[in-house]
Amino acid sequence: NAGVTQTPKFRVLKTGQSMTLLCAQDMNHEYMYWYRQDPGMGLRLIHYSVGEGTTAKGEVPDGYNVSRLKKQNFLLGLESAAPSQTSVYFCASSRSSGRAYNEQFFGPGTRLTVL
Amino acid sequence: EDKVVQSPLSLVVHEGDTVTLNCSYEVTNFRSLLWYKQEKKAPTFLFMLTSSGIEKKSGRLSSILDKKELFSILNITATQTGDSAVYLCAVEGAGGTSYGKLTFGQGTILTVHP
Repeated sequence: NAGVTQTPKFRVLKTGQSMTLLCAQDMNHEYMYWYRQDPGMGLRLIHYSVGEGTTAKGEVPDGYNVSRLKKQNFLLGLESAAPSQTSVYFCASSRSSGRAYNEQFFGPGTRLTVL
Repeated sequence: EDKVVQSPLSLVVHEGDTVTLNCSYEVTNFRSLLWYKQEKKAPTFLFMLTSSGIEKKSGRLSSILDKKELFSILNITATQTGDSAVYLCAVEGAGGTSYGKLTFGQGTILTVHP
């Protein structure tokens, strides 16, 4: 049981390049989330998904796209990276019901630098 | 817009001290408040609080929620160097598109010196 995994762990991009971050969970969770964490700003929600095939915008969605083609995977894409997207990205998942349903389980993070 | 504010932003103490971390919030249709501990990598869950006035306790850590005054505190007694971390507070609003979504505070950086 690996929990929530993220690939890659580190990445350096040049401005204008594109990339995709992959999140996978093996807990059969319905809900999945992408956050970014910047110094002094806590975690900010980028996009989230309440089930396979569905996605929704969070607090800071501009410049990012997501897809949830399979229940266990949630992809975050940057079409044209900008230095402002330098951050640590966390994926999380949670159940949709039941006791402590909203406890989110986090992946180890991806440190992205855009030059 | 849901809002969570934590204080202090950073705190430096010595082993054995007791610390109190604060979290105040404004949220539409409050459902729950969660505390997370973040060391080097991913945040890990500590407590979830839904009812006012009921203390949650785990070893030297405890937390309580005041739904009338819209805040929560996290207490750590007899601190150890292993308690050094960022402590995150998050709240969940109920209903509509906010269901299941957490709004996080900025975090409190706790440093415990030997």
